[in-house]
Amino acid sequence: EADIYQTPRYLVIGTGKKITLECSQTMGHDKMYWYQQDPGMELHLIHYSYGVNSTEKGDLSSESTVSRIRTEHFPLTLESARPSHTSQYLCASSESSSGRKTYNEQFFGPGTRLTVL
Amino acid sequence: KNQVEQSPQSLIILEGKNCTLQCNYTVSPFSNLRWYKQDTGRGPVSLTIMTFSENTKSNGRYTATLDADTKQSSLHITASQLSDSASYICVVFDRGSTLGRLYFGRGTQLTVWP
Repeated sequence: EADIYQTPRYLVIGTGKKITLECSQTMGHDKMYWYQQDPGMELHLIHYSYGVNSTEKGDLSSESTVSRIRTEHFPLTLESARPSHTSQYLCASSESSSGRKTYNEQFFGPGTRLTVL
Repeated sequence: KNQVEQSPQSLIILEGKNCTLQCNYTVSPFSNLRWYKQDTGRGPVSLTIMTFSENTKSNGRYTATLDADTKQSSLHITASQLSDSASYICVVFDRGSTLGRLYFGRGTQLTVWP
């Protein structure tokens, strides 16, 4: 069982609200990721981070923003939620690849199911 | 274009039966291929990881195979249990970038009936 946590697990909010999805990991991993997943569809990378003070946008354009002030914490923020943001958001982390560690295995959190009315 | 295609999209089997899920990919350069199990409303959990030189790997009742020449992989589940009901996702890791990109399939939704 991976030590990566997400809160809240479920969130239902109205349009226009500001929300923050929390993600924390206790494995000391440098790399962290946010994915968006709609039912029956593949995961899409929306943000990633190589380490503290590093944030990059992923393949799928997203109106959300992220921050990485501490190694263990990688929150995602939506300034003004809209119904189009309704989705499942998955956080993941991995060690930096070095030497024999070439798998870059990502460990996933349980996800946050966001519904914007 | 790097892609991962899985089949079938969904599958229903009876408890105790075996099944095989398929994955075809076009990702290059290839580093490794993973199979994940994702329960409804949960994050994916890794079942197996195989590199270019490995053509089979087992994890309990799960056995994955890889043919790097034809770019195909399969996941065989033996003596299925009700708890095997989940989405099984094939993921290919591209070593050609600093981040190391993961390419995800859409998954096969497996339902095991009693």
